[in-house]
Amino acid sequence: SAVISQKPSRDICQRGTSLTIQCQVDSQVTMMFWYRQQPGQSLTLIATANQGSEATYESGFVIDKFPISRPNLTFSTLTVSNMSPEDSSIYLCSVETANYGYTFGSGTRLTVV
Amino acid sequence: AQRVTQPEKLLSVFKGAPVELKCNYSYSGSPELFWYVQYSRQRLQLLLRHISRESIKGFTADLNKGETSFHLKKPFAQEEDSAMYYCALLTDSWGKLQFGAGTQVVVTP
Repeated sequence: SAVISQKPSRDICQRGTSLTIQCQVDSQVTMMFWYRQQPGQSLTLIATANQGSEATYESGFVIDKFPISRPNLTFSTLTVSNMSPEDSSIYLCSVETANYGYTFGSGTRLTVV
Repeated sequence: AQRVTQPEKLLSVFKGAPVELKCNYSYSGSPELFWYVQYSRQRLQLLLRHISRESIKGFTADLNKGETSFHLKKPFAQEEDSAMYYCALLTDSWGKLQFGAGTQVVVTP
């Protein structure tokens, strides 16, 4: 299956600032997915990133708050903008791999203070 | 509406006892379902998917369309099975997954 490297693994940020999370895959993939896992909650899809086009956001998530880049078939970034304590979550990227379902990165644990 | 329900937040079982994690779904199309597991301090990983009909680490899950269920079962729980388990439903052809709330399994000796 694909190997995903996600960084940073964790960060503590001041409210009002922004953090960019990187996701690198060891093979070319068409779609990359960004999820959020709030404390004690399940995973919620934020957006789907397709190379060469704008990301598609799920209900409740907007581009101004979570801008996504997808410059090539192996890399994507998610930015959490103008952060507030409510943004404290684990953010994960995911890709589909043939015969292995969907593979997830190790996550970025974000704490906003 | 598409929905995945895992009614049990916590399941505590003794080692060697059978374990069953419930998952019910609501989906208008032909469902594709997955079980994911997250061990302590590890990333989320695929346990099994219904289309492959495999048995992984002794776990099996059968899709029951009549009952809209995809329960995960293991006849004899082991301590290393202690983890968080998520049932997930593929909601479109682009790969969007909808996750259940998760069930924390604790296997005690």
